[in-house]
Amino acid sequence: AIQMTQSPSSLSASVGDRVTITCRASQDIGNNLGWYQQKPGKVPNLLIYAASSLQSGVPSRFSGSGSGTDFTLTISSLQPEDFATYYCLQDYNFIWTFGQGTKVEIK
Amino acid sequence: QLHLQESGPGLVKPSETLSLMCTVSGDSVTSTRYFWGWIRQAPGRGLEWIGTIRYNGNTYYSPSLNSRVTISLDTSRTHFSLRLSSLTAADTAVYYCARFGVQTNSANYPDYWGQGTLVTVSS
Repeated sequence: AIQMTQSPSSLSASVGDRVTITCRASQDIGNNLGWYQQKPGKVPNLLIYAASSLQSGVPSRFSGSGSGTDFTLTISSLQPEDFATYYCLQDYNFIWTFGQGTKVEIK
Repeated sequence: QLHLQESGPGLVKPSETLSLMCTVSGDSVTSTRYFWGWIRQAPGRGLEWIGTIRYNGNTYYSPSLNSRVTISLDTSRTHFSLRLSSLTAADTAVYYCARFGVQTNSANYPDYWGQGTLVTVSS
């Protein structure tokens, strides 16, 4: 099965900072990658699909890039409501795998 | 408006089988082209995909859980179910059902989720 390695596991940042989270797949998955945001006690929310497509209703400060094995989620200017845990999710040949998560905390 | 709701026991004993149901309103699990699935999250841990079923009944399971998992669609078209056997404490988690409604040519992503149900495995 494809393994997803997400980094960092946590980071501290300030409002207004540019934040980057990465996910690396153990083999080429094309652009079959999504990014989710989860706040404590809440359901995960899809931000990005197909590596770089912004889900409807998601603010434009969120963006995704990458293909093959290396992917990035960028928050261009961190807002107070963005402090949460972020997960990548790959879908390759009908087997899905989540990354371990990145917790974004207030500095 | 699509709504998913998980139901089932909150406490099960080790070695027993867990049965959960996801009731879907606002869509049909058999008449659309979507996938439907289960995802879990152990307390304080990350998300883990359990398995997915297609509208035509084809199933796909996590390799690590494959021998213990069964997902099925109900012919009423209003719900789908999860069975997970040989439970241990490691299966304690919040279990979510979800519709994999964002589709591309080669991938499907969960977009609507139930609120989740906590299942504790303990004697």
